[in-house]
Amino acid sequence: GDSVTQMEGPVTLSEEAFLTINCTYTATGYPSLFWYVQYPGEGLQLLLKATKADDKGSNKGFEATYRKETTSFHLEKGSVQVSDSAVYFCALLYSGYSTLTFGKGTMLLVSP
Amino acid sequence: NAGVTQTPKFRVLKTGQSMTLLCAQDMNHEYMYWYRQDPGMGLRLIHYSVGEGTTAKGEVPDGYNVSRLKKQNFLLGLESAAPSQTSVYFCASTTRRDSTDTQYFGPGTRLTVL
Repeated sequence: GDSVTQMEGPVTLSEEAFLTINCTYTATGYPSLFWYVQYPGEGLQLLLKATKADDKGSNKGFEATYRKETTSFHLEKGSVQVSDSAVYFCALLYSGYSTLTFGKGTMLLVSP
Repeated sequence: NAGVTQTPKFRVLKTGQSMTLLCAQDMNHEYMYWYRQDPGMGLRLIHYSVGEGTTAKGEVPDGYNVSRLKKQNFLLGLESAAPSQTSVYFCASTTRRDSTDTQYFGPGTRLTVL
């Protein structure tokens, strides 16, 4: 079946460091890909998405490119802030289907 | 516009007790979902609904029941709570009308079963 694999955390960085959180997926077709973020004590919220190969999603300085050849959707940010500390979830969805498949989440901790 | 709200925010139950979690959305969304979040497990889908009066099982439906009598509400019931159901429960909703496929999440309910 479909699945999403994320790098295990926590990822600990100093402020202004470069961030990469790896995400790979297994799917039989061409799903849309998402990154959701969960700040402490809150529900998840959409960070960015990409719907087809080579699309780049971006938001709040975060970027991720849909790579069909490597079945990946890695999340990157050039300079992280303490306020980026959160849990990040990669997910996939087939068009016409109703349910997301989530990875297990990666905790990011940014120190001043 | 409150988005997705969940009631209650916290609850402690004893084994064998029952309870109902309420999810409400004011965005006129057709689709609603219940997830549970456990350490190291990510989010797992319990049940979902694609419209008023319809429900379907997700990945981990055992021990839970749901109802969608009104479009804006999605209820999650535990008939006989077990310690394994200690978790944080999230409700989400979405629409297919705008083609964004974005799910909107509530703030969560933290449930402890003793």
